[in-house]
Amino acid sequence: KNEVEQSPQNLTAQEGEFITINCSYSVGISALHWLQQHPGGGIVSLFMLSSGKKKHGRLIATINIQEKHSSLHITASHPRDSAVYICAVLRRFGNEKLTFGTGTRLTIIP
Amino acid sequence: SAVISQKPSRDICQRGTSLTIQCQVDSQVTMMFWYRQQPGQSLTLIATANQGSEATYESGFVIDKFPISRPNLTFSTLTVSNMSPEDSSIYLCSVRQGAYNSPLHFGNGTRLTVT
Repeated sequence: KNEVEQSPQNLTAQEGEFITINCSYSVGISALHWLQQHPGGGIVSLFMLSSGKKKHGRLIATINIQEKHSSLHITASHPRDSAVYICAVLRRFGNEKLTFGTGTRLTIIP
Repeated sequence: SAVISQKPSRDICQRGTSLTIQCQVDSQVTMMFWYRQQPGQSLTLIATANQGSEATYESGFVIDKFPISRPNLTFSTLTVSNMSPEDSSIYLCSVRQGAYNSPLHFGNGTRLTVT
């Protein structure tokens, strides 16, 4: 079993829909990252969380440390949100290395 | 936040040749990392580039195959040596400017195809 699991693997939705992507992990962490990978391969860091909730524009990320779970939400989704969303965790007492989920491919249809 | 210039953005190379990928940052950074993303897979850490000394390689990656340089705090190169089709991947440079819980920044990646 992977230490970081994401669901769903693929998600197709209509423009305007509310999107939720989930990330569960099985190790103690000091931080969790949400990343966005564009079709060309470049990666943008969206959020870094260690507790609670963060919001940036239409994106919201939450984390529940006790349940070892994080969610990324997109409100009023738009075709430009189409990308692969990757969850990555930084282990507590680790060696500063990230463990990555396999990603969620999101497609927003106009 | 750090701006990363990674070159080349893509290349098609013949089996047996080598390719050097450059990662230039617009400010000094604490840590620089090189990742590989094989088709349909998630990111795998190749090594941590150490300024002025040998890189720290992860299990399964060796210096002879992936030599890395980091002459200063803003620049690093990764060479993929004696390439085979199995090396076809996206290679990504990533940096962190501060402590372990600082934000990450990624380059745009190098899409390598080996024929």
